[in-house]
Amino acid sequence: DAKTTQPPSMDCAEGRAANLPCNHSTISGNEYVYWYRQIHSQGPQYIIHGLKNNETNEMASLIITEDRKSSTLILPHATLRDTAVYYCIVRGGAQKLVFGQGTRLTINP
Amino acid sequence: DTAVSQTPKYLVTQMGNDKSIKCEQNLGHDTMYWYKQDSKKFLKIMFSYNNKELIINETVPNRFSPKSPDKAHLNLHINSLELGDSAVYFCASSQGTGGALRGYTFGSGTRLTVV
Repeated sequence: DAKTTQPPSMDCAEGRAANLPCNHSTISGNEYVYWYRQIHSQGPQYIIHGLKNNETNEMASLIITEDRKSSTLILPHATLRDTAVYYCIVRGGAQKLVFGQGTRLTINP
Repeated sequence: DTAVSQTPKYLVTQMGNDKSIKCEQNLGHDTMYWYKQDSKKFLKIMFSYNNKELIINETVPNRFSPKSPDKAHLNLHINSLELGDSAVYFCASSQGTGGALRGYTFGSGTRLTVV
């Protein structure tokens, strides 16, 4: 069901920017790109979403390519608490939120 | 102050028993969901209710029966528990079924272990 492809795992040094890629080549015009994360043993947490334009909030930035076939989530200054599984999800309209395998991001001290 | 709260947090029970998991949200959302996360960590939607009406039922066995007494509550009752039901169950809520642009808010999960 998942319409996205993400690397299974990534590492990043603490204090550095973590850039998490996502491919969604079959995205439709009315579908948004969402990012969630799941810290160990907790429920998924909403991070950010976007349609066409780049977005930024207090947690992260989302860069969407012009053709919308891929995007990158950026955590500007990663901390140890950002270690989690990050899910990129494409969803539009009344579609349900479908989780793929995500990327396991490990922040190293 | 928890936005989406589930009880219990842990549940250990024997095969064949019937158990319930409760979920409450104080966000004023009108749509609630149950997700199951199995041992392989896949998160799958089970049910969704909008204003107390069932709108998503993802081929879940009849032993699972969700009940929504009001918009703020969605409980999950499981009959005749089986070993394969062992998982973490997450409740979530959103405002609206279509937009929900701000995303879903998830509870902290109920770890069910069937022995």
